[in-house]
Amino acid sequence: QVQLVESGGGVVQPGRSLRLSCEASGFSFRNYAMHWVRQAPGRGLEWVAVIQYDESNEYYADAVKGRFTISRDNSKNTLFLQMNSLRVEDTAVYYCARDYGEGSTWLWFFEHWGQGALVTVSP
Amino acid sequence: EIALTQSPDTLSLSPGETATLSCRASQSVGARQLAWYQQKPGQTPRLLMYGASTRATGIPDRFSGSGSWTDFTLTIRRLEPEDFAVYYCQQYGTSPITFGQGTRLEIK
Repeated sequence: QVQLVESGGGVVQPGRSLRLSCEASGFSFRNYAMHWVRQAPGRGLEWVAVIQYDESNEYYADAVKGRFTISRDNSKNTLFLQMNSLRVEDTAVYYCARDYGEGSTWLWFFEHWGQGALVTVSP
Repeated sequence: EIALTQSPDTLSLSPGETATLSCRASQSVGARQLAWYQQKPGQTPRLLMYGASTRATGIPDRFSGSGSWTDFTLTIRRLEPEDFAVYYCQQYGTSPITFGQGTRLEIK
């Protein structure tokens, strides 16, 4: 079955960096676009970034553009989110999520989610 | 950016009743590109519906979706105790994709 397992969360001071990982199994990782979606404590869902299955394209929410970088290693079935210049408002649970579409048909909604990694940005 | 406004914020109903949740977009969501998710406390979101009205795998037919352009509805008939949760709509027709703020369905 599809499994997505995030790691790398923690507590960090404003302005510092953190790198999240998401290890995928149970499906052909290299065939799917992958996303990061976050949820601040007690709040709703916010899309963060996406990377296409072959790394040919990546897109970001305005709130993180220029500070976060999404990447992937298809040989290791792993998705990454490099978060720089972190702000208090970046505090959230970060979910990796698999795009519903396959290959070049990316659809930008999600059937499979990881359990989430909590990132706390605090002075 | 398309803003999605869900109503009501909280809906209080009893098991067996019918829930009607609304999601309104600030501009047209192309080709009915709207999804619904259910999230229970401490759990990840669960895809319920996509294409506005297509049920995801394993979703019972008590759940139905409708709507187009800017107005969408999720209807849950014969509410079961496990249906009480927070529901989010999401549009994926225009980048950036956006979510509604959620409707909390609680037991009356």
